[in-house]
Amino acid sequence: QVQLKESGPGLVQPSQTLSLTCTVSGFSLMDYSVHWVRQPPGKGLEWMGRMKYDGDTYYNSALKSRLSISRDTSKSQVFLKMNSLQTEDTAIYYCTRGGVWGQGVMVTVSS
Amino acid sequence: DIVMTQTPSSQAVSAGEKVTMSCKSSQSLLYSENKKNYLAWYQQKPGQSPKLLISWASTRESGVPDRFIGSGSGTDFTLTISSVQAEDLAVYYCEQYYDTPFTFGSGTKLEIK
Repeated sequence: QVQLKESGPGLVQPSQTLSLTCTVSGFSLMDYSVHWVRQPPGKGLEWMGRMKYDGDTYYNSALKSRLSISRDTSKSQVFLKMNSLQTEDTAIYYCTRGGVWGQGVMVTVSS
Repeated sequence: DIVMTQTPSSQAVSAGEKVTMSCKSSQSLLYSENKKNYLAWYQQKPGQSPKLLISWASTRESGVPDRFIGSGSGTDFTLTISSVQAEDLAVYYCEQYYDTPFTFGSGTKLEIK
């Protein structure tokens, strides 16, 4: 069945770069788009960006200068990189394909 | 960007009661070519990932109880729970996927009295 799983470091130092991986199964990245969404503790959902099935990307304008999304279709993986992290980037980071979401990965930005 | 406004921010109801929550978009989510509204409703229970309940404004996902009803078109949408159950305790979010960037409402927290 369709599954997505996020992985990455739980702790990142301020000003450093966050690197996350979303590993998918049950579908091809060349057939479906994958999105990244984050949720700060106790707050709402923020759509970050998308890797479209055709390889095109789109980013939330508020994050565009710091965010990059890429993929490796052979490994069924989508990558998120965000630089210049600050404490307000502390959140659960999810990857999602339409109605199917990963379990999320908690990322804390702290020294 | 399309702004999604959800009201109320929280609501407390007793089990068995009917509840409605609203989601308004800053521009129409109705695509004229296919007559579809690009609006989804999610349920997020404490400590869990969001779960898709309804897509295209009114199409329930497989396995979603029929007490969850999505309605509306254009810029005004409603999620109705016809008879709230204790397990419906959650935050409910609407999301527009009409245009990038996709955007979420701020959520309606449903509490059970």
